[in-house]
Amino acid sequence: DTAVSQTPKYLVTQMGNDKSIKCEQNLGHDTMYWYKQDSKKFLKIMFSYNNKELIINETVPNRFSPKSPDKAHLNLHINSLELGDSAVYFCASSRQLGSSEQYFGPGTRLTVT
Amino acid sequence: AQTVTQSQPEMSVQEAETVTLSCTYDTSENNYYLFWYKQPPSRQMILVIRQEAYKQQNATENRFSVNFQKAAKSFSLKISDSQLGDTAMYFCAFMMDSNYQLIWGAGTKLIIKP
Repeated sequence: DTAVSQTPKYLVTQMGNDKSIKCEQNLGHDTMYWYKQDSKKFLKIMFSYNNKELIINETVPNRFSPKSPDKAHLNLHINSLELGDSAVYFCASSRQLGSSEQYFGPGTRLTVT
Repeated sequence: AQTVTQSQPEMSVQEAETVTLSCTYDTSENNYYLFWYKQPPSRQMILVIRQEAYKQQNATENRFSVNFQKAAKSFSLKISDSQLGDTAMYFCAFMMDSNYQLIWGAGTKLIIKP
């Protein structure tokens, strides 16, 4: 059983398109996160949701919009994709806000052409 | 602001050798957590080991152990009897007790040679 799953694993699309990445966790965790890993492997947090409420919204473009229909899901929608959005996006979850352990999904490699 | 530094971009060792990956961090906080995550070529991010700053005893998980030097703000990872499957990127990460954000190092690429 996959604890944190993401779909799709690979996404290739053209500039200007709108796309979504889905994330689901079956751990019963309250908090979920989205991270972006750039080409230099550096990880940066983008968003965090706790019980369906946005907690962190780091300085990401407003083209990125997280949506949490319930606490087991945190989807990432991206409008008007740009070349610089190409990266690997990781979803993660933790038991609760402030829990020291985060469990990561397999990542989604987004390529914008 | 908290920072995490991994000064070794890449390392390689022979199978069965012991290797140590270095990590230093900067914080004025007293309560925090430190982590090592492994990212194999499959891209999955896997928690290897964690250390609570209030614990003096170094954390150990099978072949993985840390050398936590709080005063020096150093948190190195030692991998004993290295295996081919240990080949991966290794990330050091920091989290304050009062804040839930993981602060990441730039990563060290570890290659285990047969």
